[in-house]
Amino acid sequence: QSALTQPASVSGSPGQSITISCTGTSSDVGSYNLVSWYQQHPGKAPKVIIYEVTKRPSGIFNRFSGSRSGNTASLTISGLQAEDEADYYCCSYAGSSTFVFGTGTKVTVL
Amino acid sequence: QLQLQESGPGLVKPSETLSLTCTVSGGSISSSPYYWGWIRQPPGMGLEWIGSIYSTGSTYYNPSLKSRVTISLDTSENQFSLRMYSVTAADTAVYFCARDKLNTMDVWGQGTTVTVSS
Repeated sequence: QSALTQPASVSGSPGQSITISCTGTSSDVGSYNLVSWYQQHPGKAPKVIIYEVTKRPSGIFNRFSGSRSGNTASLTISGLQAEDEADYYCCSYAGSSTFVFGTGTKVTVL
Repeated sequence: QLQLQESGPGLVKPSETLSLTCTVSGGSISSSPYYWGWIRQPPGMGLEWIGSIYSTGSTYYNPSLKSRVTISLDTSENQFSLRMYSVTAADTAVYFCARDKLNTMDVWGQGTTVTVSS
């Protein structure tokens, strides 16, 4: 069970769109519609922003959207805002009631 | 509103056992269809899923940690616990507890820092 692969960092200017990839295998990301994304600000607990690949919890802005193609899931942040600067982690169900997280991506708003 | 709070020693000696408790308030730990899990984050690093427990007591662990970890449930206290054996400096991390609702960790505790050092 290896960590899912994410880019270490992604940056964008306010108002722009950015996309973070999350690459797994056919045993996790590619097999289940159970990819979630978490936003973590420094010193804080993670917060779910996308679940089941594309769904947003109540209270999460529709600027955040998720998708998946094959073994790679993606998180897109549209209309980037200063408060979006944070670390983002994907997480996938990996079978037998186990989970694997991504390596994490630091988003910088220029 | 459901809240989770981790508690336990902040310092553990190498080779000893790390013990943490997560107290759940605002909801019952016996409710279904929820699992209750532990996740950790070493300093400056990413998240690692440790394991989870269902209300029936069934447990599920990260294969890389399975031999050193036990998660248990105390329904009378509305708590669940983590025990990690034979710890080393590599187990130094912030430990989070979380509710797993249908394969999404939707409610998290604030985290507790555990340092392994003599």
